[in-house]
Amino acid sequence: DIQMTQSPSSLSASVGDRITITCRASQGIRKDLGWYQQKPGKAPKRLIYAASNLDSGVPSRFSGSGSGTEFTLTISSLQPDDFATYYCLQHNSYPLTFGGGTKVEIK
Amino acid sequence: QVQLQESGPGLVKPSQTLSLTCTVSGVSTRSGSYYWSWIRQPAGKGLEWIGHIYTTGSTNYNSSLKSRVTISIDTSKNHFSLILSSVTAADTAVYYCARYDRVGFDYWGQGALVSVSS
Repeated sequence: DIQMTQSPSSLSASVGDRITITCRASQGIRKDLGWYQQKPGKAPKRLIYAASNLDSGVPSRFSGSGSGTEFTLTISSLQPDDFATYYCLQHNSYPLTFGGGTKVEIK
Repeated sequence: QVQLQESGPGLVKPSQTLSLTCTVSGVSTRSGSYYWSWIRQPAGKGLEWIGHIYTTGSTNYNSSLKSRVTISIDTSKNHFSLILSSVTAADTAVYYCARYDRVGFDYWGQGALVSVSS
């Protein structure tokens, strides 16, 4: 199974901050990675697919990059609505696996 | 618009069988463009992919659950189902159904909490 290691597991930031979350795969997954945002009590929502493509309706302050084994999700200017938990997902091979999550909290 | 909705018992006894159905609207489960998936999340923990099914009935399961999981599809009713046998407390979780578009999960149900307890 491909292990997805996310870091940090949590972070505190202020509105307007630029933040970066990293996901590392235990083996190369090309660009077969997506990023999801989950708010308490809600289903996850996909933000980015194929490492760097923004889903429809997702604000442009979100961006993704990377390929192979290292990937990043960047929020260029954190907004109040962005405080949530973020997960990466690899779909390069079965079983599909998620990272452990990064909780973004208000400083 | 595309919607998915989980339904099923919220409480299952240990050693018994968990059964959930996901009713899909706004898109046909006959579509060859998607897989129909189950994902779960224990309280306060991360996400675990359980498995998915294609319109033909072809399935892929997470090896960690494979011996206990069956996913089926009824395209005439536009729904798909999850059966998880021999449940324990470790299977207590929110269970989500989702549509897999080959680059991830683009639509999700709201989730169904299933507790395993006597």
